Amino acid sequence: GDSVTQMEGPVTLSEEAFLTINCTYTATGYPSLFWYVQYPGEGLQLLLKATKADDKGSNKGFEATYRKETTSFHLEKGSVQVSDSAVYFCALRYSGNTGKLIFGQGTTLQVKP
Amino acid sequence: DVKVTQSSRYLVKRTGEKVFLECVQDMDHENMFWYRQDPGLGLRLIYFSYDVKMKEKGDIPEGYSVSREKKERFSLILESASTNQTSMYLCASSPSDTSETQYFGPGTRLLVL
Repeated sequence: GDSVTQMEGPVTLSEEAFLTINCTYTATGYPSLFWYVQYPGEGLQLLLKATKADDKGSNKGFEATYRKETTSFHLEKGSVQVSDSAVYFCALRYSGNTGKLIFGQGTTLQVKP
Repeated sequence: DVKVTQSSRYLVKRTGEKVFLECVQDMDHENMFWYRQDPGLGLRLIYFSYDVKMKEKGDIPEGYSVSREKKERFSLILESASTNQTSMYLCASSPSDTSETQYFGPGTRLLVL
């Protein structure tokens, strides 16, 4: 079945370091891809999305490119801040359904000053 | 502002109790979802509803039921709570346009003793 796999966490970085969180997916069709972020004590918020191959989603300095050839959607940020400490979830959604999402297991990011 | 609220942030219940988790959204969304979140497993879909009185099973519906009598309210019911249902429960809603994101509530952390 369809699935999403994220790199294991936790990821610990110093402030201003470069961030990559890997995400790969398995899907029979052409899903839309998402990154969600969960700050401590809160629900999930959409961070960015891409709906077709080669699309780049971006928000708050984060970017991810939909790579159909490698079935990947890696999250990157050039310079992380302490306030970026959170859990990041990669997810996919099919077209034509009721908006169901399949999530990866989540990657915890801790940024130290 | 978009708002999804859940009736409790923390709940402690005993094995065998009937448990109700309530979710309310004020965005007039058609779709509503219940997930559970467990470390290392990400979010897993329990049930979802795409209209009043309509429901569909997600990936892990066993031991749960749902009710949607009004468009804005979606209830998750644990008929007889068990310790393996100790988890974080997240509610989400989205409009019928599947290009739109899901909006999440803050979550209910349930402990079953």
